[in-house]
Amino acid sequence: DTAVSQTPKYLVTQMGNDKSIKCEQNLGHDTMYWYKQDSKKFLKIMFSYNNKELIINETVPNRFSPKSPDKAHLNLHINSLELGDSAVYFCASGGGREDTEAFFGQGTRLTVV
Amino acid sequence: AQSVTQLDSHVSVSEGTPVLLRCNYSSSYSPSLFWYVQHPNKGLQLLLKYTSAATLVKGINGFEAEFKKSETSFHLTKPSAHMSDAAEYFCVVSAENQGGKLIFGQGTELSVKP
Repeated sequence: DTAVSQTPKYLVTQMGNDKSIKCEQNLGHDTMYWYKQDSKKFLKIMFSYNNKELIINETVPNRFSPKSPDKAHLNLHINSLELGDSAVYFCASGGGREDTEAFFGQGTRLTVV
Repeated sequence: AQSVTQLDSHVSVSEGTPVLLRCNYSSSYSPSLFWYVQHPNKGLQLLLKYTSAATLVKGINGFEAEFKKSETSFHLTKPSAHMSDAAEYFCVVSAENQGGKLIFGQGTELSVKP
């Protein structure tokens, strides 16, 4: 009965590799998000999608490419991984309005070595 | 543009004593404000939200927050701390007209001593 689930939970990879993180929500929301939490625990939005359409791209490098095959899924693909990409990535879904909260997944801890 | 500032990066209390986590916001419109909690190696859980209804908002696990427009504050309180309350707390504002985009404060780490 997990509301927002993302896989994998941990990801360790070498510089230059390409990796993907998958996210699925069963809450029926139209809007999904990717947030990045850095080593100081600061959270910042990366992307938002509404019903499979990109709404926000928060000046994220082109190496990051989100893909939404349907409104219940929002995957994140990262090309040519760099050391600075090491972080915790959170997927979330919500009502897409200012007065609606977002529901977060458990996070994916990405470590680039 | 909207922003939130959490005034303390770390707060330490004894079990059974009150908790106060401070948050100030900046917004040109009437904001929606949230408090989220993150336990170690866990995702973010919503504690409570303010969306221009009652200014005193009650949340889960005995937490509450009061929206004070005159002070541009949204402080989080709890009468009696539990050991299980030890976590990172985030004050969050929703960005205007941006589809539910959340803007996070820097976080406050709450420690609870036995």
